[in-house]
Amino acid sequence: KAGVTQTPRYLIKTRGQQVTLSCSPISGHRSVSWYQQTPGQGLQFLFEYFSETQRNKGNFPGRFSGRQFSNSRSEMNVSTLELGDSALYLCASSLAAYEQYFGPGTRLTVT
Amino acid sequence: AQTVTQSQPEMSVQEAETVTLSCTYDTSESNYYLFWYKQPPSRQMILVIRQEAYKQQNATENRFSVNFQKAAKSFSLKISDSQLGDTAMYFCAFMGNSGYALNFGKGTSLLVTP
Repeated sequence: KAGVTQTPRYLIKTRGQQVTLSCSPISGHRSVSWYQQTPGQGLQFLFEYFSETQRNKGNFPGRFSGRQFSNSRSEMNVSTLELGDSALYLCASSLAAYEQYFGPGTRLTVT
Repeated sequence: AQTVTQSQPEMSVQEAETVTLSCTYDTSESNYYLFWYKQPPSRQMILVIRQEAYKQQNATENRFSVNFQKAAKSFSLKISDSQLGDTAMYFCAFMGNSGYALNFGKGTSLLVTP
């Protein structure tokens, strides 16, 4: 089976712009979770989607949003980018809660 | 809110030796999962081992084993016969009843030397 794929792998944006990141889960997995990883804050949970519904959300401002499509692919969007949004964004897919498989991540740099 | 603490920012071990990484957590929940993830320089997060809180038996996966002390809220990872490929950041993580949201510690950077 193919693993979790994330596109793009690297992205450079300017402050104030918006960005959309994509995640394709492992075939058959219906849950997709997103995490932000920064040197200062570490790994933080953003949100989780299951069958196109957001089931859980972390403590992030409303500029961070996501969605999931009927084929379980998920996108996350960050609007009005700030320098502090520079991070590695990781996506994980799951068949069961206790087994999350991570993608390679998208490295976002905001200048 | 649950907190996960890894008190060792960096550790070093020689090849073939044994090393133990520490993790403590705080929760009021009785049923939960604990995990150790490995993140090598490639940044790919890899599940090393997991432990279900209701299971008293410590989990093992080949050279990796845990010491789960529920009352003490401690969850340490022992790596036996360390290999150069074990060099990575190791993250301890907690998942409670909210489901699917992993709460990570700050990580321990492990260096395995020849």
